[in-house]
Amino acid sequence: EDQVTQSPEALRLQEGESSSLNCSYTVSGLRGLFWYRQDPGKGPEFLFTLYSAGEEKEKERLKATLTKKESFLHITAPKPEDSATYLCAVRPGGGGSNYKLTFGKGTLLTVNP
Amino acid sequence: ETGVTQSPTHLIKTRGQQVTLRCSSQSGHNTVSWYQQALGQGPQFIFQYYREEENGRGNFPPRFSGLQFPNYSSELNVNALELDDSALYLCASSWSSGSLGETQYFGPGTRLLVL
Repeated sequence: EDQVTQSPEALRLQEGESSSLNCSYTVSGLRGLFWYRQDPGKGPEFLFTLYSAGEEKEKERLKATLTKKESFLHITAPKPEDSATYLCAVRPGGGGSNYKLTFGKGTLLTVNP
Repeated sequence: ETGVTQSPTHLIKTRGQQVTLRCSSQSGHNTVSWYQQALGQGPQFIFQYYREEENGRGNFPPRFSGLQFPNYSSELNVNALELDDSALYLCASSWSSGSLGETQYFGPGTRLLVL
């Protein structure tokens, strides 16, 4: 069964203090790893899709990387508006349940001014 | 380009009632997936519809059912509501072409409270 574990569960940073969020996964043939941002009471907002080990993607202060067992979301010089829950999800390849995303529980990031 | 929309935004029901939630997919998308998100948890996959057929289902009982219409909009129906059905229900749309892991784009969700 596909599994996604995110750590830490919660992270509190000062504005400008860079850090990384971790997403460890086990999946039968990765077809895609996805990062989303979710604000309280709202739907997840798409950030990145990664397909293969070694791939990296960047957007403003965020950079996502992927290895064969985990993904990192690096946040450089965060601002208070980066405060949100960050969700990681995987989609398996091959046959079977390759239609669905399996999510982790998320990391709640708080950036203090 | 219109994003994913859901209605209603909030809903209060009592145990045993039935509920219908609605979703309009993003322009150009042909696949709709539904997820349930309990407080403090990640979204859990309910089912997916592609070309008006159920394409896959998660570990949810048959009282959770759905439809997809020719315009790719979708409905989620839940019968015999239970207290544990209280959650944020998310709809996600994507374009499925059988190739790489298609990115799913989420709507704002419907918050369901069962009393």
